[in-house]
Amino acid sequence: DAGVIQSPRHEVTEMGQEVTLRCKPISGHNSLFWYRQTMMRGLELLIYFNNNVPIDDSGMPEDRFSAKMPNASFSTLKIQPSEPRDSAVYFCASTGFDGNTIYFGEGSWLTVV
Amino acid sequence: DAKTTQPPSMDCAEGRAANLPCNHSTISGNEYVYWYRQIHSQGPQYIIHGLKNNETNEMASLIITEDRKSSTLILPHATLRDTAVYYCIVRVASGYALNFGKGTSLLVTP
Repeated sequence: DAGVIQSPRHEVTEMGQEVTLRCKPISGHNSLFWYRQTMMRGLELLIYFNNNVPIDDSGMPEDRFSAKMPNASFSTLKIQPSEPRDSAVYFCASTGFDGNTIYFGEGSWLTVV
Repeated sequence: DAKTTQPPSMDCAEGRAANLPCNHSTISGNEYVYWYRQIHSQGPQYIIHGLKNNETNEMASLIITEDRKSSTLILPHATLRDTAVYYCIVRVASGYALNFGKGTSLLVTP
């Protein structure tokens, strides 16, 4: 299996622009997570989907952030408008029914200037 | 989920065993101990998990004390590629999210 696939791997954008991060979970997995990592705050859970339905979005920082999972093989995290403080590494992760092993992608490195 | 406490950093010589401690004194009976690691510039990687018995796999061993208030992750023969941040996480089996703390930064030296 190719693992969790994220794109883009790196993105530099200007403040105010819309950013869309994409994730393809491992085939057959039914849970998907979006995490954000910064030096100051470490790894933070943003949102969790189960069977394509958002279960917990309490970690989404504000209304500028939105996430969707239109089907079992694709999810997006959108930031509109982006701000410099959104600069971070965004990880997507997925797991199967047992939930014990959560597989992470390689991350999307976002820089907002 | 119960809180965990780990030392911020540790060193280990290549080829020696790396023993990474974790305190989880408030762990509940239905909570598991999970270990993940994050190598620089990569996503976190699952290592091992356990409830109360010691566990071993191809990557590491997990030793949980009888009272389950602490555990130790053992990398039996550390290599330079084991240099990473190691996270100890406590979670119920039916829980969904992993709450990462600050972890232990392990440096394996030649």
